[in-house]
Amino acid sequence: DADVTQTPRNRITKTGKRIMLECSQTKGHDRMYWYRQDPGLGLRLIYYSFDVKDINKGEISDGYSVSRQAQAKFSLSLESAIPNQTALYFCATSDKGRGTEAFFGQGTRLTVV
Amino acid sequence: AQSVTQLGSHVSVSEGALVLLRCNYSSSVPPYLFWYVQYPNQGLQLLLKYTSAATLVKGINGFEAEFKKSETSFHLTKPSAHMSDAAEYFCAVSDGDSGGYQKVTFGTGTKLQVIP
Repeated sequence: DADVTQTPRNRITKTGKRIMLECSQTKGHDRMYWYRQDPGLGLRLIYYSFDVKDINKGEISDGYSVSRQAQAKFSLSLESAIPNQTALYFCATSDKGRGTEAFFGQGTRLTVV
Repeated sequence: AQSVTQLGSHVSVSEGALVLLRCNYSSSVPPYLFWYVQYPNQGLQLLLKYTSAATLVKGINGFEAEFKKSETSFHLTKPSAHMSDAAEYFCAVSDGDSGGYQKVTFGTGTKLQVIP
């Protein structure tokens, strides 16, 4: 089983709909992240969380919200999806400390039509 | 502020040839540097990382990278390309957990094509 699991893997939704992407991890890490990947733009940080009670906005948080239900679960919501939110979304975790690596899920490909 | 520049969004090499993927960084503090690889339909996985120990870092699958402070570079190399190396590669820089959060900035990626 993967250490970081994202569901669903693929989703097509309509403009204006609310959608939730889910992430769960078995790494035991406190830190979790949501990134968005667009061709030619690399990965951009949407939200990050140090622990259940600590959630922070990243560089592109507008139009998104998150929920940290438990240490192992971190969900990303699009309250009212729009076509320019069509992208590949990744959840990641990392351990505490300096220079620690990130562990990524397999991604959710979201298409907003 | 920190940033990463990857030169060349697409690189093609012949099987058996040298692989060289370029990464230049900017950081106001001593950086931590990473190379990640993304295979089709998969998430990113770590190839190697620099954490100020040795300047020549060896990673998985025969890849290595050299940290050159004077050139602010962290280029990724592999002596002999294999078909299985075809993937997208991302360079990333971290400011190392300042203020309790490790800010990581990713480059825009380089897609490596290996020609038989």
